Amino acid sequence: GAGVSQTPSNKVTEKGKYVELRCDPISGHTALYWYRQSLGQGPEFLIYFQGTGAADDSGLPNDRFFAVRPEGSVSTLKIQRTERGDSAVYLCASSELPRDTQYFGPGTRLTVL
Amino acid sequence: AQSVAQPEDQVNVAEGNPLTVKCTYSVSGNPYLFWYVQYPNRGLQFLLKYITGDNLVKGSYGFEAEFNKSQTSFHLKKPSALVSDSALYFCAVRVPPRDNYGQNFVFGPGTRLSVLP
Repeated sequence: GAGVSQTPSNKVTEKGKYVELRCDPISGHTALYWYRQSLGQGPEFLIYFQGTGAADDSGLPNDRFFAVRPEGSVSTLKIQRTERGDSAVYLCASSELPRDTQYFGPGTRLTVL
Repeated sequence: AQSVAQPEDQVNVAEGNPLTVKCTYSVSGNPYLFWYVQYPNRGLQFLLKYITGDNLVKGSYGFEAEFNKSQTSFHLKKPSALVSDSALYFCAVRVPPRDNYGQNFVFGPGTRLSVLP
């Protein structure tokens, strides 16, 4: 079946702009996770949804970052007033239940000029 | 705080030889340990995990890992490397999230494995 998909695959924006990154999890997966991977580093946890609610948002770096999952399926990561330091690959993962194996999407590469 | 170290940025091995990719961890409580592999332009793929039970865990594509509590290590191994195993490998430890139900990961920095023909 279809895996986790993320759109766009690449996003180039200018400093100060607003961006939205989309994640389509595997159908039926209740848990959804966002990670950020900077060059040469391992992924870093941002936020975890169980259903529609954010069960843990402790990884969001500051209040410019926000994520939603209004119907418990698709999630959108929103970044306001982007900064050059936000440039990274943003990864989404989903699992059928919170402690099941996580399946990762291919990521969205965000470049802030 | 939970942390994961992968002491080698790069591991080179000849095809057909055994390979080891090292991982050490620091956690409070019992560790839940994972290995993921990342191929170019593709998402992270789950290889194997240790939750409890046998210290030797077998996973996908012929990989296995050995949990060693006294050395706080979880090294990834394969008896005979293939050129197609060349990729970026990440060790990770589960961190209980606020609801204590999910599975957030702390990842190591990654080790690039090159299998030479």
